[in-house]
Amino acid sequence: GQQLNQSPQSMFIQEGEDVSMNCTSSSIFNTWLWYKQDPGEGPVLLIALYKAGELTSNGRLTAQFGITRKDSFLNISASIPSDVGIYFCAGSLQGAQKLVFGQGTRLTINP
Amino acid sequence: DAGVIQSPRHEVTEMGQEVTLRCKPISGHNSLFWYRQTMMRGLELLIYFNNNVPIDDSGMPEDRFSAKMPNASFSTLKIQPSEPRDSAVYFCASSPQGVGGTDTQYFGPGTRLTVL
Repeated sequence: GQQLNQSPQSMFIQEGEDVSMNCTSSSIFNTWLWYKQDPGEGPVLLIALYKAGELTSNGRLTAQFGITRKDSFLNISASIPSDVGIYFCAGSLQGAQKLVFGQGTRLTINP
Repeated sequence: DAGVIQSPRHEVTEMGQEVTLRCKPISGHNSLFWYRQTMMRGLELLIYFNNNVPIDDSGMPEDRFSAKMPNASFSTLKIQPSEPRDSAVYFCASSPQGVGGTDTQYFGPGTRLTVL
């Protein structure tokens, strides 16, 4: 089945550092979404991207929809302790309503 | 505005018992999705509905699993009989229809199911 490759699987950084993670697909996606999941909670939508090349920010978060439509990245600037959690990318194929999820990136921040 | 509501938040049951998970989607959303999350398999789509009609149930693992959506504001996921391997967190998500909105899903807090 369709898969998204999300990397890295985990990150251990110092507070204040910038973070970058990405997702790639073998297929062209129509939509890219980035979610964050805290322990014991459901994924929360961070950023939604709908056009190739689109660059969208949400506070310290910035995400881009790759030009090839097969990849996306998420950057977090000046990380803070509350950024800890698991970040998931998700995408949908054109004409499909189902989302395909990446495996997640677990972010740990050392104060 | 209220988000997706799921109940119960935690469920512990014994093997063989029937389990019913409940979901109330965001008002006005036309699509509803049921997911299962485990450490080994990540997030898996079980089934989704459009306008209360099941569209794709290819992710439902076995006949022991069934889902219904009797109206636009309520859905259930039932497991009968439950087995220990069904232990997981089950999420419900809803999505609005419309330009740029169909693919954006909003998740509930999940139900953590433990089958002993």
